[in-house]
Amino acid sequence: EAGVAQSPRYKIIEKRQSVAFWCNPISGHATLYWYQQILGQGPKLLIQFQNNGVVDDSQLPKDRFSAERLKGVDSTLKIQPAKLEDSAVYLCASSPYTDTQYFGPGTRLTVL
Amino acid sequence: KQEVTQIPAALSVPEGENLVLNCSFTDSAIYNLQWFRQDPGKGLTSLLLIQSSQREQTSGRLNASLDKSSGRSTLYIAASQPGDSATYLCAVTSSGYSTLTFGKGTMLLVSP
Repeated sequence: EAGVAQSPRYKIIEKRQSVAFWCNPISGHATLYWYQQILGQGPKLLIQFQNNGVVDDSQLPKDRFSAERLKGVDSTLKIQPAKLEDSAVYLCASSPYTDTQYFGPGTRLTVL
Repeated sequence: KQEVTQIPAALSVPEGENLVLNCSFTDSAIYNLQWFRQDPGKGLTSLLLIQSSQREQTSGRLNASLDKSSGRSTLYIAASQPGDSATYLCAVTSSGYSTLTFGKGTMLLVSP
């Protein structure tokens, strides 16, 4: 069974630029999560989708971050404009239920 | 607001030692608790999941215990090996929610 796929794996941008990350969850998983993991910290949930709908986006900085999940499958997370403090690893996870989440390898973002 | 604390932040042991990682959480109204492993540049891998009604779970050389009333969990690793070197993260799911709240992790180094 293929795991959660994410791209790109690494991205370096200048502050105030835009960036987008892509996630392909495990086939059949209804729930998709985006987490932000700053160096030395645990992952923090940014947004949770159940099929196409948003379940929780309370910690998403909506002035600069946006996310969508088209057709209940793939998802993209966008940052516009990026700030220095957005440097982090962005993890995508999917789940067939709410108990077990399967994580992708993450995208490491560096904002200069 | 749920907060998760992990002690120690880092641990270095010689191969073969038994070791204990600690996790505490502030709100005992949890649905379950999970221990994850994170290798450098990789995503998270779920090691053990303990439901709130359970006291412990075992997988191979790993044993996780849960004392919900005191807000504590421990991960016991028997006969440690260099391949166990990684960051170990504790995460709780609070009752009524499906999102995970993570600790900052314990970075473990097992030397040959």
